[in-house]
Amino acid sequence: GEDVEQSLFLSVREGDSSVINCTYTDSSSTYLYWYKQEPGAGLQLLTYIFSNMDMKQDQRLTVLLNKKDKHLSLRIADTQTGDSAIYFCAERYTNAGKSTFGDGTTLTVKP
Amino acid sequence: SQTIHQWPATLVQPVGSPLSLECTVEGTSNPNLYWYRQAAGRGLQLLFYSVGIGQISSEVPQNLSASRPQDRQFILSSKKLLLSDSGFYLCAWSPGQAAYEQYFGPGTRLTVT
Repeated sequence: GEDVEQSLFLSVREGDSSVINCTYTDSSSTYLYWYKQEPGAGLQLLTYIFSNMDMKQDQRLTVLLNKKDKHLSLRIADTQTGDSAIYFCAERYTNAGKSTFGDGTTLTVKP
Repeated sequence: SQTIHQWPATLVQPVGSPLSLECTVEGTSNPNLYWYRQAAGRGLQLLFYSVGIGQISSEVPQNLSASRPQDRQFILSSKKLLLSDSGFYLCAWSPGQAAYEQYFGPGTRLTVT
């Protein structure tokens, strides 16, 4: 079945870049997403990339997709303390919009 | 603009009691609706999804059920809660099958004691 894996924790200093990595198994994935979850809240869609793209940039966020290796990454430039949260990678694998989520990477930004 | 509501925000229920969580979406019509459970603050597990009124697909067999009595209303229920039902329940919607966006509600924290 579909599987999405992420490292569980990442700690960076304020102002540095953060890179959160994700691997997925379903080669038929159509869209890949990054969500952010702050404590006690729902998930916020940060950005997405179509499976026929290699890179997408949106302000401080850069998404890189390596389809051959089924590897997705999210780079946050100039990381701020407000970026501290759990980041989820997800792949959409059917036209019904069902998505498989990774377990999330907890990003801690130290001042 | 579209908004999604969930209630209650928190719930403490004894084992064996019934459950009803409600999710409503405003500002759109015929959305796809989803129920997820997030255990211990980690990954999301898709429980149910619905592409229309009365159309429910179950992803994981369990003692929970879902219903969609109206276009923008999605209800998660149980007749008898188990301890293992504790978790953070998230409702989400998307504009339709071809859309990529999925928008999440604020969640309900359920503790079964």
